[in-house]
Amino acid sequence: QVQLVESGGGVVQPGRSLRLSCAASGFTFGSYAMHWVRQAPGKGLEWVAVILYDGDNKYYADSIKGRFTISRDNSKNMLYLQMNSLRAEDTAVYYCARDSGGAAAEIEYWGQGTLVTVSS
Amino acid sequence: EIVLTQSPDFQSVTPKEKVTITCRASQTVGISLHWYQQKPDQSPKLLIKYASQSFSGVPSRFSGSGSGTDFTLTINSLEAEDAATYYCHQSSSLPRTFGQGTKLEIK
Repeated sequence: QVQLVESGGGVVQPGRSLRLSCAASGFTFGSYAMHWVRQAPGKGLEWVAVILYDGDNKYYADSIKGRFTISRDNSKNMLYLQMNSLRAEDTAVYYCARDSGGAAAEIEYWGQGTLVTVSS
Repeated sequence: EIVLTQSPDFQSVTPKEKVTITCRASQTVGISLHWYQQKPDQSPKLLIKYASQSFSGVPSRFSGSGSGTDFTLTINSLEAEDAATYYCHQSSSLPRTFGQGTKLEIK
């Protein structure tokens, strides 16, 4: 079955960096686009970024553009989110998610999330 | 950016009641509109894809309809386990967006 396991969250000071990882299993990782979606405490879902199956095409939310970078290693079945210049408003649970494949595909599966807290 | 507006924000309902949640898009998304259920301290789960297609394993009491800018999630004969927050999500264009969520409380 599809499994997505995030790691790398924690407490970090404003302005610092953090890299999140997502280990994927149970499917052919290199065939699917992958997303990061975040959820601030007590708030709704916010889409962060997507990387297409081959890693060549990446798209970002305006709120994190220029500060966050999504990447993947298809040989290791791993997804990453490099977060730089972190701000208090980046505090959230970050979910790794897989879509169903194809254009305009729905997000089909979600990991359990990893909490990032940006605080001095 | 396509803005998705859900209504209501909150609803308190009794078991066996029929529930309707709506999602309105600021511009057409065709049928690229999906519904998710999120229970407390859990990750979201896909319920309905492409406006009206049930995802595998989802109980038949959940259904969706709509196209263009107006969509509906219906829960027939609500059960206690349906207490959750429900989100709509569009995959028609980037950036992807979510509705603000509708929290269902079971009386």
